[in-house]
Amino acid sequence: GNSVTQMEGPVTLSEEAFLTINCTYTATGYPSLFWYVQYPGEGLQLLLKATKADDKGSNKGFEATYRKETTSFHLEKGSVQVSDSAVYFCALSDRVDYKLSFGAGTTVTVRA
Amino acid sequence: DAGITQSPRHKVTETGTPVTLRCHQTENHRYMYWYRQDPGHGLRLIHYSYGVKDTDKGEVSDGYSVSRSKTEDFLLTLESATSSQTSVYFCAISEKDRGPQETQYFGPGTRLLVL
Repeated sequence: GNSVTQMEGPVTLSEEAFLTINCTYTATGYPSLFWYVQYPGEGLQLLLKATKADDKGSNKGFEATYRKETTSFHLEKGSVQVSDSAVYFCALSDRVDYKLSFGAGTTVTVRA
Repeated sequence: DAGITQSPRHKVTETGTPVTLRCHQTENHRYMYWYRQDPGHGLRLIHYSYGVKDTDKGEVSDGYSVSRSKTEDFLLTLESATSSQTSVYFCAISEKDRGPQETQYFGPGTRLLVL
């Protein structure tokens, strides 16, 4: 079956530091890959996505590249801000009923 | 904003009582989903629907049932609530992008405490 493994947190950074959150997956077929973000006290928001190998998703300074050869979709941001403090979830979607399989989530705290 | 609302937003109930959570959408999406969020597990799929009266089980469906009698509403029922069902419940819809992929968008969540 499908599964997602992401870097365990919590991760604590200083403002303007570089952020990487590792995500690897196991899937049958050719899934689409997503990063969702959950800010404190809120629901999940789509951050970025990629639907095929070598696609790069990007949004709000975050980037992730769909790497089929390493089955990975690592999230990166070059210079984080306090407002990036949140829980980040990596997920994959099958192409039949579009069901999502999630990683456990990584809590990121950015200090001023 | 995918036009998703959930009710109630917070609920406290006692073990053994039935509980129904409602998800309502305004944009006629075909697919709807129920997930639960627990620390260390991310979100896990409970049930989903691919049309009116068409539903299927997800990863953690035991103790839950669903109904979809009209496109806009997807109900999740805990038949006899247990403390292990204390969780945050999220509804989602699937929206078609350009191309074959559909992307899920989530409601605000319902926080359920079973005493």
